[in-house]
Amino acid sequence: DAKTTQPNSMESNEEEPVHLPCNHSTISGTDYIHWYRQLPSQGPEYVIHGLTSNVNNRMASLAIAEDRKSSTLILHRATLRDAAVYYCILRDRETSGSRLTFGEGTQLTVNP
Amino acid sequence: DTEVTQTPKHLVMGMTNKKSLKCEQHMGHRAMYWYKQKAKKPPELMFVYSYEKLSINESVPSRFSPECPNSSLLNLHLHALQPEDSALYLCASSQEGGQYYGYTFGSGTRLTVV
Repeated sequence: DAKTTQPNSMESNEEEPVHLPCNHSTISGTDYIHWYRQLPSQGPEYVIHGLTSNVNNRMASLAIAEDRKSSTLILHRATLRDAAVYYCILRDRETSGSRLTFGEGTQLTVNP
Repeated sequence: DTEVTQTPKHLVMGMTNKKSLKCEQHMGHRAMYWYKQKAKKPPELMFVYSYEKLSINESVPSRFSPECPNSSLLNLHLHALQPEDSALYLCASSQEGGQYYGYTFGSGTRLTVV
């Protein structure tokens, strides 16, 4: 799987938007961009995924650069519950039963 | 039911013990996974089961033995572990084919080997 690069940590204030960047310059045409997050003392949680177009769901938005070499996870209004490690992962197809390989991720701190 | 349930939540075992970790899901998912996570590190894939057949073994030592008795259950049998095997063991499941909704993870079993 192609590699992703994320900042080690980021800070945000409560109720403000958060933009979490991810670089994936070696992404292939069939790689989907996935985001998971892991809250303290819990297993990872699926957030969102996309291929080329921007995506929205109830948790977040995913903005994908036109050349697909980077993407940004957007939390529209951060809450204290959003403090977690956020993982950006590339995966070579949308279906399951294959590897989902986690990188180091970004530790998000949300200040009250 | 939209959960993956892992038992026990905590386990302490000696290096000569045999124990098993259990994972259960009732979402109809046909792919199931074991991950290992050391403190402050990302989860690392150990095994993948697809339609109850082992499809990926990430060169895991034989002291870890996975088993998938049916489509809802996944076990990890542990024998002669080392202290460095102490970690959080996570189980996950996902659909095979069809609409993709991501992996669903359990909260894990925190294993301590003494």
